[in-house]
Amino acid sequence: DTEVTQTPKHLVMGMTNKKSLKCEQHMGHRAMYWYKQKAKKPPELMFVYSYEKLSINESVPSRFSPECPNSSLLNLHLHALQPEDSALYLCASSQGTKRGAIDNEQFFGPGTRLTVL
Amino acid sequence: AQKITQTQPGMFVQEKEAVTLDCTYDTSDPSYGLFWYKQPSSGEMIFLIYQGSYDQQNATEGRYSLNFQKARKSANLVISASQLGDSAMYFCAMRAFKAAGNKLTFGGGTRVLVKP
Repeated sequence: DTEVTQTPKHLVMGMTNKKSLKCEQHMGHRAMYWYKQKAKKPPELMFVYSYEKLSINESVPSRFSPECPNSSLLNLHLHALQPEDSALYLCASSQGTKRGAIDNEQFFGPGTRLTVL
Repeated sequence: AQKITQTQPGMFVQEKEAVTLDCTYDTSDPSYGLFWYKQPSSGEMIFLIYQGSYDQQNATEGRYSLNFQKARKSANLVISASQLGDSAMYFCAMRAFKAAGNKLTFGGGTRVLVKP
């Protein structure tokens, strides 16, 4: 299984809602990532988990709360979002995050298209 | 800090023709990896090809080849025999040896439209 799955595919939420995005991989990867991508722009890294521990937070607002319950699963909890948070949210995984592993390919999921009203 | 530049925001290519997508990079790290990803309108980022900074030969994967010119800091992607399904956004990305967390730096992307 060389697939990263994400649910839901589309999500529309109000600014007062609480919702969660889910990402799953069964490739035995120990690193997982959340990216945010606005239209016609490259993906921007939000969070990196390595061995189920948060290793990088790219100064993301606290209304985004990541969670890694186990090595296969990554969640992104959303609360009190703003309309400018509307974007494609991509999850990715890789074998690890060890420095020097420059060939550490990241496998991406299909993304969740989020619209905040 | 690392930087990736893709100077072609968009381009048209005739079906069955070859197309070259430009990518230049900047890093002070002597060891790095370069990646190309394809993103169709569906959104998924699809890995195409990888080139390591110490690789002696240019990488090839099927119809994709990477024209790596280290002295010029360029890593252009060549797609041969274009197909309609190649219409997508293409991103060049880099990971430097010293980058924490396997962090990828992406270029701005090039949108390719293949004409029948």
